[in-house]
Amino acid sequence: QVLLQESGPGLVKPSETLSLTCSVSGGSISGYYWIWIRQPPGKGLDWIGYIYYTGSSGSTDYNPSLKSRVTISVDTSKKQVSLNLISVTAADTALYYCARGVSTGPYWYFDLWGRGTLVTVSS
Amino acid sequence: DIQMTQSPSSLSASVGDRVTITCRTSQSIGSNLNWYQQKQGKAPNVLIYAASSLQSGVPSRFSGSGSGTDFTLTISSLQPEDFATYYCQQSNSAPYTFGQGTKLEIK
Repeated sequence: QVLLQESGPGLVKPSETLSLTCSVSGGSISGYYWIWIRQPPGKGLDWIGYIYYTGSSGSTDYNPSLKSRVTISVDTSKKQVSLNLISVTAADTALYYCARGVSTGPYWYFDLWGRGTLVTVSS
Repeated sequence: DIQMTQSPSSLSASVGDRVTITCRTSQSIGSNLNWYQQKQGKAPNVLIYAASSLQSGVPSRFSGSGSGTDFTLTISSLQPEDFATYYCQQSNSAPYTFGQGTKLEIK
């Protein structure tokens, strides 16, 4: 059974960097999309970006609205996927989810999700 | 960006009812449309992918249809555990946007 677990600081100061980790247990990192999604309190879901890791390299894609501030990376030795978001503001306060993306033929979707971690941006 | 419009935003229904939620996209996305269920305080869970394919383990009372710009999620006979918020999501092109959600409540 593959499980995803997000971790990181629950409080980040404005203008600082939000750093989260998603630990993957029970399965491989290779051959899947690893996605970060966030949900502001009481609101809907926003796709942040993904990294697709093939085993030897990773390719990324980011939401254009965040592209200048976000980086997603993989540490295969630790089986972790990381999210870094720089220069945060109160608008970045949200529940942050890690999810796995799978493809079937030309289609893909998010088949596994972590429980999410709440990050509040406040001084 | 592809805009997603779900309707209704909220819906009250009774156990045993047939319920339909619609999702319209601002441009054609073929069948690149997924549906997720999110219960209060929980992470979303995929129900339908590729517009009409039922995810393994999801009850058969859930079904999806549509292509192009108009899609529907149907629950044939509502069960108590189905009261939740439902989101559509397009997987056609980045950014992979979600609908605003439909909150399904008990009448």
